[in-house]
Amino acid sequence: EDKVVQSPLSLVVHEGDTVTLNCSYEVTNFRSLLWYKQEKKAPTFLFMLTSSGIEKKSGRLSSILDKKELFSILNITATQTGDSAVYLCAVPFGNEKLTFGTGTRLTIIP
Amino acid sequence: GAGVSQSPRYKVAKRGQDVALRCDPISGHVSLFWYQQALGQGPEFLTYFQNEAQLDKSGLPSDRFFAERPEGSVSTLKIQRTQQEDSAVYLCASSLWGSYGYTFGSGTRLTVV
Repeated sequence: EDKVVQSPLSLVVHEGDTVTLNCSYEVTNFRSLLWYKQEKKAPTFLFMLTSSGIEKKSGRLSSILDKKELFSILNITATQTGDSAVYLCAVPFGNEKLTFGTGTRLTIIP
Repeated sequence: GAGVSQSPRYKVAKRGQDVALRCDPISGHVSLFWYQQALGQGPEFLTYFQNEAQLDKSGLPSDRFFAERPEGSVSTLKIQRTQQEDSAVYLCASSLWGSYGYTFGSGTRLTVV
């Protein structure tokens, strides 16, 4: 059965800190890994990763995939209170449905 | 519309009541997905439509759950004889094709009392 595990489950840091969120996976027929940010209820897309070692970057957020070790990390530098959210990692399986991890709840203290 | 619209935003049901949750996807999106998100958990797949065809309903937890998309646009998730364990946020997502470029709706929070 496909499996996605995220760590830590929650994280509290001060504004300006840098954080690293982890996602490991066990998936047959791996195609891609996706990161989402969930602030209220609707997850919003951050990154899709398909190739090992190629960093995807968007402002203060970046992510990288290691297909040999079966994990991905999401980095956020110079955190702001607006970064407080649940960060979800997901992989597609079967006919396009997603398997999600439980998420990491990130809280930024001003 | 510009995004995926779900209604109602909140629903409180007494145990045993039937509920119907609506999803209005982005116009032209072929694929539509329903997910259930319990408190403190990631979303879990329920069912998938390609146009009006329900191609996968393997995630529906019991035969009390039923989904339809009769004209390949709006979808309804119906839960019969609701139980307390059905309390969750129900998320709908649509995409032009498959799992790439998913857009999620804001969800319906169902509380069964």
